Amino acid sequence: LAKTTQPISMDSYEGQEVNITCSHNNIATNDYITWYQQFPSQGPRFIIQGYKTKVTNEVASLFIPADRKSSTLSLPRVSLSDTAVYYCLVGDVNAGNNRKLIWGLGTSLAVNP
Amino acid sequence: DTAVSQTPKYLVTQMGNDKSIKCEQNLGHDTMYWYKQDSKKFLKIMFSYNNKELIINETVPNRFSPKSPDKAHLNLHINSLELGDSAVYFCASNPNGGYYGYTFGSGTRLTVV
Repeated sequence: LAKTTQPISMDSYEGQEVNITCSHNNIATNDYITWYQQFPSQGPRFIIQGYKTKVTNEVASLFIPADRKSSTLSLPRVSLSDTAVYYCLVGDVNAGNNRKLIWGLGTSLAVNP
Repeated sequence: DTAVSQTPKYLVTQMGNDKSIKCEQNLGHDTMYWYKQDSKKFLKIMFSYNNKELIINETVPNRFSPKSPDKAHLNLHINSLELGDSAVYFCASNPNGGYYGYTFGSGTRLTVV
């Protein structure tokens, strides 16, 4: 079962900033929050990961409040090529103490001209 | 050079047949995975191998048998294919089985008719 909840779809326009919020109410103390991007007919691609506060890289920023029950992926000045599905994930540990990512349905972002 | 390559890209076969999908990674990663993505875009982990050893085996029919001859290869063999096996299968790898740094292949679209 997915441990995260995020909007199914979002629409935006070129040049706008897009913020996708994900809730993970039951996040464990040692869980990181990870975001992936998937284009049609391709495998998911790692975007960014964080534990708390703010993380920024050349692609996006990730904002995590103090309670860590939600996180927001921020994409600055989106372009048409940012049209993709964005997945928010937290980890899980199975009975053998092996880590795995739990994938939800993601947010389908459509960037319009 | 493709980091994670899987073949074939498309596979159309009849019910009851046996087929294999191959995966190779040249990233030097220790851990490899097989994921299944259904028509609703839900990604579900099937298997995980760490340095040729099976560490995650989700509730998958035993018609699915992974094989890892070395840590750079993880193949998936499927016996007695069924209509419900139609999906996109993704191979992935990451450095040490943690939550980050996943690299996915481009997927194999399996259609069972």
